[in-house]
Amino acid sequence: GENVEQHPSTLSVQEGDSAVIKCTYSDSASNYFPWYKQELGKRPQLIIDIRSNVGEKKDQRIAVTLNKTAKHFSLHITETQPEDSAVYFCAASEGKSSGDKLTFGTGTRLAVRP
Amino acid sequence: EADIYQTPRYLVIGTGKKITLECSQTMGHDKMYWYQQDPGMELHLIHYSYGVNSTEKGDLSSESTVSRIRTEHFPLTLESARPSHTSQYLCASSEHGKETQYFGPGTRLLVL
Repeated sequence: GENVEQHPSTLSVQEGDSAVIKCTYSDSASNYFPWYKQELGKRPQLIIDIRSNVGEKKDQRIAVTLNKTAKHFSLHITETQPEDSAVYFCAASEGKSSGDKLTFGTGTRLAVRP
Repeated sequence: EADIYQTPRYLVIGTGKKITLECSQTMGHDKMYWYQQDPGMELHLIHYSYGVNSTEKGDLSSESTVSRIRTEHFPLTLESARPSHTSQYLCASSEHGKETQYFGPGTRLLVL
């Protein structure tokens, strides 16, 4: 089955700086990679996703890059703000071959210092 | 408003009690999932369903059971709660043919 590793486990940045979270996956058949943000006491919310036929996707201050050869993908947050403080989870899916299940990383706790 | 709902939001119960955690979605999704998550930690898939009368065990072994009699409803039952079951339980759903999952607000369970 799929295995997803996520680093770092905690990240502290100054407001306005950039934050980068990296994930690696094991199964080359994986083709869908979402990122979820979970604020304290709240449900995980999808913030951006990417499919294996795309190398990069951007949505305002957040972007995701995918390197299929190396089997890793990263979340980039620019101009961080205090409201970006949360736990971020990456995930990977093999699509129909795995029943569209998601395998999650272990999470990164991001703290943005004002 | 189309959403996914979980009740109760918080539950404190004694060891040995039977409990059912409710999950309902009004988004018309075929697939539903249950995850166990200690606060801020990794999400572990414990059960999933592709549709009515379909249930499968997830990657993390769990003593709970699930049923899927109606498309919109996916309850999780613990026959005899134990302190080791203390955790947060998150329900999720996704549309047929798509991988994106949408999560409910969760149920925080404390077993004394």
